[in-house]
Order: sequence, then C-alpha cells, then structure tokens
Amino acid sequence: DQQVKQNSPSLSVQEGRISILNCDYTNSMFDYFLWYKKYPAEGPTFLISISSIKDKNEDGRFTVFLNKSAKHLSLHIVPSQPGDSAVYFCAPQGNNQGGKLIFGQGTELSVKP
Amino acid sequence: GAGVSQTPSNKVTEKGKYVELRCDPISGHTALYWYRQSLGQGPEFLIYFQGTGAADDSGLPNDRFFAVRPEGSVSTLKIQRTERGDSAVYLCASSLGQGYSPLHFGNGTRLTVT
Repeated sequence: DQQVKQNSPSLSVQEGRISILNCDYTNSMFDYFLWYKKYPAEGPTFLISISSIKDKNEDGRFTVFLNKSAKHLSLHIVPSQPGDSAVYFCAPQGNNQGGKLIFGQGTELSVKP
Repeated sequence: GAGVSQTPSNKVTEKGKYVELRCDPISGHTALYWYRQSLGQGPEFLIYFQGTGAADDSGLPNDRFFAVRPEGSVSTLKIQRTERGDSAVYLCASSLGQGYSPLHFGNGTRLTVT
C-alpha cells in the first residue's frame, strides 16, 4: 500500500522553462510535506517544505503548492536550470511520528540546455 | 560543518555473511534514521533512534536486521546471514529531533551481496 505516489518517473524540460513535479498521498495524518533532491552517488538533500496549514510556500525559484482536499502537492521550478537535473522526492511527515519521512518513488528531472 | 558520515561507502559481501554499516551523525543531532533505497525506488524507512533508544523499528524487514546507538551518537546497522535481496543503498540521516526538523542524509553505503 503506497502512501505516497509520484506517478511520473521522469520529466524533461528545456532550460528557462517551468518544471512541475507532482505528488499524491493517501494518509490524511500527514501534516508536513518536504521535497528532497538527489544527485547520483549522493544522499538526498532537503529542498523546500510546506506545513498543512498553508497552501503555498516559495523559496527563490522553487515553489511548493499543497491541495489538502485533493491530497496533492506539486513542486514548481522556474526558471529551470541544467543544474536542477536530479531525482526529486516528495516526503511527507505525520504528527507524532518522530520526524519519520515516507518517500515517494521519485521523479527524475532532466533540464536540457 | 561536517555532515552525516557513512562508512564504508561500498561493501561487497557473500551471501550468508554478516555485515556492519556505520553512521556518524551531525554533532548535536539527537534523532538518527536508517533508510534503504533500492534501484528506481524512494528511500524506505527502517528504524529511528531518539538518543540511545530505538523509538520506531517498524521498518526493519526481519530479525536479521538490527541497529544500535549505544552512546546516542554513532549508530551501526547490522545484517546477519545476508541475502542477495539485501543489496541496496543504505542511507543514514540525522536531525535535531524537534518538531518538524528536516532530515540530513549521508551519501549512503552501497551494499552488494553476491
């Protein structure tokens, strides 16, 4: 039973355009949502997060949107740059779960120059 | 400052052998997590420590897997009687353990069981 789904295994975008990565979840106990970025042979690195009391959080070129009723969140990157090419993971946390993250399968983003 | 350190970075072992994987968390981080990542999948939770005690070990797949953190800092993940299906990248992460602190990951140990 997958609690977190990233249905697009890969995404290819032209440099300068917008990248949109999607994530769906089933567990209504999740109340904090993180995005991690992973380069080959490295561990995931924290990118941006959003609390369930918000519907949008922006940090520079990165914006995360949360639609709680649809149990859906998305990460927007604009403008996309070749250095953004990596695997992106959606990782929600639940209250009283000790910070444990449940990861989606990941979406591999490729930004073409 | 120093990040999470995992050793070895690569480990090749024969089926049936015992292995230990080490994690050195960020200094001052009270929470420590072990995850396992198979090819094409997201990291899968194994176990989480708050201080010296295992607060949640619900992700350990079976009793061949065990982890310790005796002094509340360095942790060791131990796998007995390894099987080929144990081959994966084992990731360790640490956090401040307060509220919704982001987890900081090491680069992982790639375990290959032949």
